[in-house]
Amino acid sequence: SQQGEEDPQALSIQEGENATMNCSYKTSINNLQWYRQNSGRGLVHLILIRSNEREKHSGRLRVTLDTSKKSSSLLITASRAADTASYFCATDEEYGNKLVFGAGTILRVKS
Amino acid sequence: EAGVAQSPRYKIIEKRQSVAFWCNPISGHATLYWYQQILGQGPKLLIQFQNNGVVDDSQLPKDRFSAERLKGVDSTLKIQPAKLEDSAVYLCASSPRETQYFGPGTRLLVL
Repeated sequence: SQQGEEDPQALSIQEGENATMNCSYKTSINNLQWYRQNSGRGLVHLILIRSNEREKHSGRLRVTLDTSKKSSSLLITASRAADTASYFCATDEEYGNKLVFGAGTILRVKS
Repeated sequence: EAGVAQSPRYKIIEKRQSVAFWCNPISGHATLYWYQQILGQGPKLLIQFQNNGVVDDSQLPKDRFSAERLKGVDSTLKIQPAKLEDSAVYLCASSPRETQYFGPGTRLLVL
């Protein structure tokens, strides 16, 4: 079963613009992670935010978490063509580091 | 450090045939995961190992899928017999703690 639901399913922007992707989930979590997947390749970890954190930054990435609304957002600032990829949120629901992935948002950055 | 290695990268078989995938995790990572990713969807966990013991195989179709982790290091995932709906990318990941590191995946096409 998939826990996270990303929104939008697809997003197309111009280089230099900001991209925002949202993730909603259903149950309590220990942490929420965002991963990127370039076409035909494995996933790369981007950022992890714990349930007691509200915001986290890493380079051009900003992640927020609202546990009361069971939602998270990923903001990519000053996007580049190389940011073109699928982005997945994944929730760690219980103990044991078991991740449940959403269906992903496809981001296309046009140069 | 070397990443997660998987082989083969591509495999085409006919239905009812058998197939095996191999994964070599990052050295020192105790936890190993196998995921199935169907086109357009997020990865779905099939099985999770901690060292050479199974932590979670609740979503593994045990009538046709099997997996083992040899001496707590390398792992193999087998499908026998394959069905058309098994066409997917099979991803292996390993982790020392919460973040997972993914291999490039094996793309399986069942005809």
